[in-house]
Amino acid sequence: RKEVEQDPGPFNVPEGATVAFNCTYSNSASQSFFWYRQDCRKEPKLLMSVYSSGNEDGRFTAQLNRASQYISLLIRDSKLSDSATYLCVVNPYNQGGKLIFGQGTELSVKP
Amino acid sequence: NAGVTQTPKFQVLKTGQSMTLQCAQDMNHNSMYWYRQDPGMGLRLIYYSASEGTTDKGEVPNGYNVSRLNKREFSLRLESAAPSQTSVYFCASSVEGAGAGELFFGEGSRLTVL
Repeated sequence: RKEVEQDPGPFNVPEGATVAFNCTYSNSASQSFFWYRQDCRKEPKLLMSVYSSGNEDGRFTAQLNRASQYISLLIRDSKLSDSATYLCVVNPYNQGGKLIFGQGTELSVKP
Repeated sequence: NAGVTQTPKFQVLKTGQSMTLQCAQDMNHNSMYWYRQDPGMGLRLIYYSASEGTTDKGEVPNGYNVSRLNKREFSLRLESAAPSQTSVYFCASSVEGAGAGELFFGEGSRLTVL
């Protein structure tokens, strides 16, 4: 089993749709969780950290379920500019350097 | 602002050739990383340096060496390139350890080994 697993997609949605991505992780001791965004042929960039209480940033909401070992990302009112690959990232050891990246979920928002 | 700068951006090598990927950051970050990204595999950590003077192996270190030349620079060397090392390589940096905060990535170096 991979340490971090995501549905690779692609998710094809119309503008204005709500879309949700899930990610599961295998190490129950994991402490830090993040969503990164990667545009085609570009470098990954931090979208948001994921906190135990859940957190929201505009149209984006991230949630953590420790009991089931998954994190989610909800995007409301999708924009064309949201088209990208979304990477689930976990720090399983709570130590520097050991981030584990999921393979990414591709989102394509259509007019 | 430059952020994290990688060179070269593109490189084609023949099997057995050697090369060094250069990375420099101007954000005064303590930690630096080298990742490779392959289709369907996600980013995988090759080596990292938690602070100047230290380096540690990541998930896929075989076939690579690194040097933390100073606080700004972290280079990745392929001593004898193999086709399996064809990939996109990303350098990244962070203020402290990766688990505590944001990684800042360079634009990537696309390497093809024939």
